[in-house]
Amino acid sequence: GDSVTQMEGPVTLSEEAFLTINCTYTATGYPSLFWYVQYPGEGLQLLLKATKADDKGSNKGFEATYRKETTSFHLEKGSVQVSDSAVYFCALSLNDYKLSFGAGTTVTVRA
Amino acid sequence: DVKVTQSSRYLVKRTGEKVFLECVQDMDHENMFWYRQDPGLGLRLIYFSYDVKMKEKGDIPEGYSVSREKKERFSLILESASTNQTSMYLCASSTRTGSWQPQHFGDGTRLSIL
Repeated sequence: GDSVTQMEGPVTLSEEAFLTINCTYTATGYPSLFWYVQYPGEGLQLLLKATKADDKGSNKGFEATYRKETTSFHLEKGSVQVSDSAVYFCALSLNDYKLSFGAGTTVTVRA
Repeated sequence: DVKVTQSSRYLVKRTGEKVFLECVQDMDHENMFWYRQDPGLGLRLIYFSYDVKMKEKGDIPEGYSVSREKKERFSLILESASTNQTSMYLCASSTRTGSWQPQHFGDGTRLSIL
C-alpha cells in the first residue's frame, strides 16, 4: 500500500544550524507530497507541498523537492530558530483525497 | 482563513461511556476527516466523509462511528469507550477539487478514558 517513511527523531539542534529531515514514499501512482508542522499544543498546519516531479515547495525558509527517481521529499532549512521547534510530518495524497502520514519527527532547537 | 473547530481540547470519560467528539468547519469543504494521533505512529485515519450523510472507513474504524448530517459538521462517536482509545483526536477538512488540496486541521481533542 501507499506509505511514507520519515527520519526518526528526536532531533536536537542549536540555533542557526542546518536542518534536514529525510522522507521517502511508496505509492502506486503519482502522489502529491506535503510537509505539515505541529507546534506544541496545536493541530497540524500545512508547511509546504509539491504536486509533481521536480517541483520545489517552500515556506518560512523551509524547502523540499519532489524527487521521483529516489521517491523522496526531504525537508531542509538552512538556519533554524528556536521557534522552529515542533513535530514535522511528511505525507502523501493520491486521487482519493486521503493523506498517508509518516510517524513524525520531533525537532528541538536550543538557543 | 479556514477554521476547523473541535468542541473540546481536553476530555475525560469512563470506560463503557458513549463519547461524542464534534468538529465544525466554516469553509464549505466537501471532505472531512477524523484521525487519531499516537506517539511513534503518526496520524491514522479513522473515518472520512466526502459529502453529507456519506462516510467511508479509514485504516482503524473499529470501535468508532461517525455522523455527518450537515456539511459543516462531522461527529466522531465512541460507542463504548475503552482505555485503548485514550489518544489525541484530530479533525480535518478539505475541498474536493483535487488531491493536491491540503487538509486543514483543528487543534485536537486530547481524550482520556479511565
